[in-house]
Amino acid sequence: SQQGEEDPQALSIQEGENATMNCSYKTSINNLQWYRQNSGRGLVHLILIRSNEREKHSGRLRVTLDTSKKSSSLLITASRAADTASYFCATDAVNSWGKLQFGAGTQVVVTP
Amino acid sequence: SQTIHQWPATLVQPVGSPLSLECTVEGTSNPNLYWYRQAAGRGLQLLFYSVGIGQISSEVPQNLSASRPQDRQFILSSKKLLLSDSGFYLCAWSERGGDSPLHFGNGTRLTVT
Repeated sequence: SQQGEEDPQALSIQEGENATMNCSYKTSINNLQWYRQNSGRGLVHLILIRSNEREKHSGRLRVTLDTSKKSSSLLITASRAADTASYFCATDAVNSWGKLQFGAGTQVVVTP
Repeated sequence: SQTIHQWPATLVQPVGSPLSLECTVEGTSNPNLYWYRQAAGRGLQLLFYSVGIGQISSEVPQNLSASRPQDRQFILSSKKLLLSDSGFYLCAWSERGGDSPLHFGNGTRLTVT
């Protein structure tokens, strides 16, 4: 079963704008991870945030985690056409032995 | 550096035929290995998980099986494919221990006709 659910399902923005997507989950987690997938390719790990962390940055990426609301958000600032991809959150639930559960993803299209 | 190889990239097979997808990892030892399946426009479904040679955990009942004959080799198989086995199959590895991200191969697009 899918643990994480992303919102929105699709997002269309112009270059230079910020893109925000959200992830909700159901059970207690050890960490939450965000991945990116270009069309027809494998997923690439972007960022990991532990359950005791609230915010994390990596380049133009900003991730927040609210364990009380069981939700996370991914912000991509100053988006570029090359950011066009699907973005997935994945949860490492407590007692899952590292087996990640993925959401259905947010499809982001950045137009020049 | 570590690399993961997955092949073939695409495969078209008739219903009832056998399947063998192979995945190998280089540059690391004792990795955790995973097979995921992704339906069109959907998230990833974990199929199999392995923590060592010969140790396979099946996450969903299905027409597929997995084997790990060597430390860095993971094989997905079927004796008789069904139409519902069509999808995008992804192999991944991670380091042992907590807070380890997954590293994915480029996937195999399987179409069962």
